[in-house]
Amino acid sequence: QKEVEQDPGPLSVPEGAIVSLNCTYSNSAFQYFMWYRQYSRKGPELLMYTYSSGNKEDGRFTAQVDKSSKYISLFIRDSQPSDSATYLCAMSAFYDYKLSFGAGTTVTVRA
Amino acid sequence: NAGVTQTPKFQVLKTGQSMTLQCAQDMNHNSMYWYRQDPGMGLRLIYYSASEGTTDKGEVPNGYNVSRLNKREFSLRLESAAPSQTSVYFCASSGTGTDTQYFGPGTRLTVL
Repeated sequence: QKEVEQDPGPLSVPEGAIVSLNCTYSNSAFQYFMWYRQYSRKGPELLMYTYSSGNKEDGRFTAQVDKSSKYISLFIRDSQPSDSATYLCAMSAFYDYKLSFGAGTTVTVRA
Repeated sequence: NAGVTQTPKFQVLKTGQSMTLQCAQDMNHNSMYWYRQDPGMGLRLIYYSASEGTTDKGEVPNGYNVSRLNKREFSLRLESAAPSQTSVYFCASSGTGTDTQYFGPGTRLTVL
């Protein structure tokens, strides 16, 4: 079993819809949780960074962390065609340099 | 301010050939990383360097070597390339271990 599980999709939604992405993990030591966005043939770029449990909002993006369930989510409101990309979750323990990544979910927002 | 740069962008090798992937960052970061990305596997850490002068193995180090040349540069070497090393390779850097990692544009490597 992988340390971080993420449904690869693909996910196709109409413009303006809410996109819901999630990851589950098995390592209870994870405390730092990230979402990266990766456009086709580009490197990943950080979208959201949260520490421990709770919600964080940044514009149209909301990240949620539920450590009791070992479950993290990313919501994209009012999705745009420019949001079409692969979204990767990543996480690390407080003592560790290493990030553990999910496989990534490919999202297409149809105009 | 270029961030993280990688060379080359594309490379085709024959089985058994060797090559070095170069990475440089201009953000004065202490830590640098090499990942490979394969379909359905996400990003997997090959090697990392927590600070200048140190290197450590990641999840998939077999068949690779690294050199932290100075604070800016971190190279990845394939001594005898195998088809299983066909992948997209990303270099990343961060200020410290738990800081945000910034990624380069990647090198697409095909081993025939």
